[in-house]
Amino acid sequence: GENVEQHPSTLSVQEGDSAVIKCTYSDSASNYFPWYKQELGKGPQLIIDIRSNVGEKKDQRIAVTLNKTAKHFSLHITETQPEDSAVYFCAASNGGGSARQLTFGSGTQLTVLP
Amino acid sequence: GAVVSQHPSRVICKSGTSVKIECRSLDFQATTMFWYRQFPKKSLMLMATSNEGSKATYEQGVEKDKFLINHASLTLSTLTVTSAHPEDSSFYICSEIRANGEAFFGQGTRLTVV
Repeated sequence: GENVEQHPSTLSVQEGDSAVIKCTYSDSASNYFPWYKQELGKGPQLIIDIRSNVGEKKDQRIAVTLNKTAKHFSLHITETQPEDSAVYFCAASNGGGSARQLTFGSGTQLTVLP
Repeated sequence: GAVVSQHPSRVICKSGTSVKIECRSLDFQATTMFWYRQFPKKSLMLMATSNEGSKATYEQGVEKDKFLINHASLTLSTLTVTSAHPEDSSFYICSEIRANGEAFFGQGTRLTVV
């Protein structure tokens, strides 16, 4: 089955700096790569996603890049703000609509220092 | 706005009692919904897949008699933790996954068994 590894597990940055979180996956059939933000005591929220026919996608301060050959994808947050502090999860799926195919990374605790 | 509504957000119960958690799909007829358990500072662990009108599919190691799942309508799935014990204390999250692979999560339920 799919295996998703996520690094780093914790990340602290100064407000205004950039943050990068990286994930690798093992199943070449995966074609959908979402990123979720989870605040304390709440459910994960989708912040951005990318599909395998695209190499990069950007939404304001958030961008995701995908390298299918190397089987890795990354989340980039620019001009970080204290409200970006949360746990971020990457995931991989073959888009079949089954949770078995939505595999999560282990999470990254991002802290943005004011 | 919220796509999936989960209730309650917090519950404290005594050992030996049962607790029901509801998950409602607000704008989608979800034939399949998913239940996760999350331990502190850990990723989401899939417990079971809830299928409308049929039996739930449980992941290996998850006791189906302990965690009863009912999906009686296209918009409501319930998880009942039966004869709860302190080790059942955890954060429980439901989700729906659309045909294109996008997952939407409930707000989560913090269960504390005393």
